[in-house]
Order: sequence, then C-alpha cells, then structure tokens
Amino acid sequence: NAGVTQTPKFQVLKTGQSMTLQCAQDMNHEYMSWYRQDPGMGLRLIHYSVGAGITDQGEVPNGYNVSRSTTEDFPLRLLSAAPSQTSVYFCASRNSYSTDTQYFGPGTRLTVL
Amino acid sequence: RKEVEQDPGPFNVPEGATVAFNCTYSNSASQSFFWYRQDCRKEPKLLMSVYSSGNEDGRFTAQLNRASQYISLLIRDSKLSDSATYLCVVGAGKSTFGDGTTLTVKP
Repeated sequence: NAGVTQTPKFQVLKTGQSMTLQCAQDMNHEYMSWYRQDPGMGLRLIHYSVGAGITDQGEVPNGYNVSRSTTEDFPLRLLSAAPSQTSVYFCASRNSYSTDTQYFGPGTRLTVL
Repeated sequence: RKEVEQDPGPFNVPEGATVAFNCTYSNSASQSFFWYRQDCRKEPKLLMSVYSSGNEDGRFTAQLNRASQYISLLIRDSKLSDSATYLCVVGAGKSTFGDGTTLTVKP
C-alpha cells in the first residue's frame, strides 16, 4: 500500500491564482481531512469528509473548497490564492470517525507570492 | 484561550534524561486524546493514544487527568532519536492540535 499520497510536493503561486492540491489514499478509509501548518504552530483543520459525497468545514475553511466523489480521493482547491495561504498542507485519513490513528501524507509546501 | 495548549519549548536535555510534557484542553466533553511525533518538515505520526487508566509503551508513558483537563507524556532514558516535536491532539473526529513542544536530546 502507498498509504496517503499528496501532489505536488512543492508549489509556488502568484496572488489570485487558483490550484488544486491532490490527495489520495489506498487504504479504503472513510474519513479524510485537510490541515494546514504554519511555522511554529500545530495543524489546523481546513475541511474534512466522513465518506464519499459528504464534506464539512473545519476550523479555517475560508478560501478553500473540497469535494469527495470517491473514497480514495479528496482534492483541496484554492480559489484565489493569497499570501496568507502560504503554509504546509497535510492530508490525512482514518478508517472510521473514532479510530485512533490518522495517517498523514508527506505534505505540500505552498508559497504564495 | 486556545482549545489545546502545550508546554512552551524548546526542551534541551542530555541523553538518558527523563522529560515530561504537559498539555491542557478546554473542552471537558472530549473523549479522545493522542500524542503525535513530528520530525522536521515531515508529516506527523502517531506516537501513542492516551487512555483514562494511563498507558505505557516502552520508554513512553501517557497519562490523562480528566478532572484537571490535562494529559501528559513522560519519556524516560531519552535517546538522540527522540529529538522531534511532540504534538498533543484532542478529539478523534474534528481533531484539535496543540502547537507542539520541541525536544532536543544532546549527547
């Protein structure tokens, strides 16, 4: 199993550009999440999904959209990039709402100029 | 006040030392608690879950105090390889992460 994969690993955007961060997992996990991590801080939840077709907002959802058309994929879309969105983005999955372990992808390092 | 607060770091300790981290949480209804480890610029990985009765995994011991709303992590006989940032996490669904405590173990 590849676990949780994320692409791209690095990305530089100009203010106002849009892009999609990709996340996929091959563990048949129902629950997936997107987090951002700013320097010196913990992870903050952006959006999450408890199954295909179901998404909900986390702590910091503004400026981001998600969709969950399949169990495997959970892309994160930046609608109009802003410098405040410069961060490291982690995708995670777990196999049920209450399961202990979240498995994280390697992260996408995004810089918005 | 943050929902999850951790000891400010960094902690610099010699090999073989015992070090303890504390974490407080504000939501008394929380049911799930974890410690994750994060190496520099890498993804977090689960270190251990924290159970009401306390739990131990080798050199690591986690404790939960519901009355005072804090959890702790004790590392005994520190190794160089324990150097990392330790993240306190509350909640299994909409998880809330602390800002992390950085540990550096020196020879």
